[in-house]
Amino acid sequence: QVQLQESGPGLVKPSETLSLTCTVSGDSIRNNNYYWGWIRQPPGKGLEWIGSMYYRGVTVITYYNPSLKSRLAISVDSSKTQLSLKLTSVTATDTAMYYCGRLLRYSAAAVDSWGQGTLVTVSS
Amino acid sequence: DIQLTQSPSFVSASVGDRVTITCRASQETNNYLAWYQQRPGKAPKLLIHAAFTLQDGVPSRFSGSGSGTEFTLTISNLQPEDFATYYCQRLYDYEVIFGPGTTVDIK
Repeated sequence: QVQLQESGPGLVKPSETLSLTCTVSGDSIRNNNYYWGWIRQPPGKGLEWIGSMYYRGVTVITYYNPSLKSRLAISVDSSKTQLSLKLTSVTATDTAMYYCGRLLRYSAAAVDSWGQGTLVTVSS
Repeated sequence: DIQLTQSPSFVSASVGDRVTITCRASQETNNYLAWYQQRPGKAPKLLIHAAFTLQDGVPSRFSGSGSGTEFTLTISNLQPEDFATYYCQRLYDYEVIFGPGTTVDIK
């Protein structure tokens, strides 16, 4: 059974870079039946997709939320067990619970597995 | 902008009730739509994908229907553990869109 675990700093200063890691076990990020991605949820608000990736052969294909694209990078480490998120120039509006997820490629990216989430607060 | 709307945004119901939540899309695409349940303090849980396919382990009192731009989630015989917020979700040109959510509260 796949498990996803987010990790990273819980507090980031305004204008700095938010960096998170998702460790995947029980499946491989190379499994191209799935996208792997990030979703966030500001306190008391709804869900917002951040971005997703998948392997097409040996190439990593990434898709980003247009509203975040200029500040966003999603990558995979060489061991293919960790997914990373980097969001630059953060502001208070980036304060949210950040979830890592596995998305069904052949069912319109439905997120069938979620990490427990990690709360990131942007504050000086 | 492509949007999903949900109605109602809030519903008050009792154990044993039948609840229906509607998700409307601003643009038509394929008939793939997912529904999630989120309990307070927990990660969302996939209930239904491809409009009506029940995810493994999800009770049969949950059902999905619809096509085009209008989809529904029905919870029959509401149970205490069903009081939660429900979200719909679609994929448009590789962009994942979530609806704003519907909270089912205890009457």
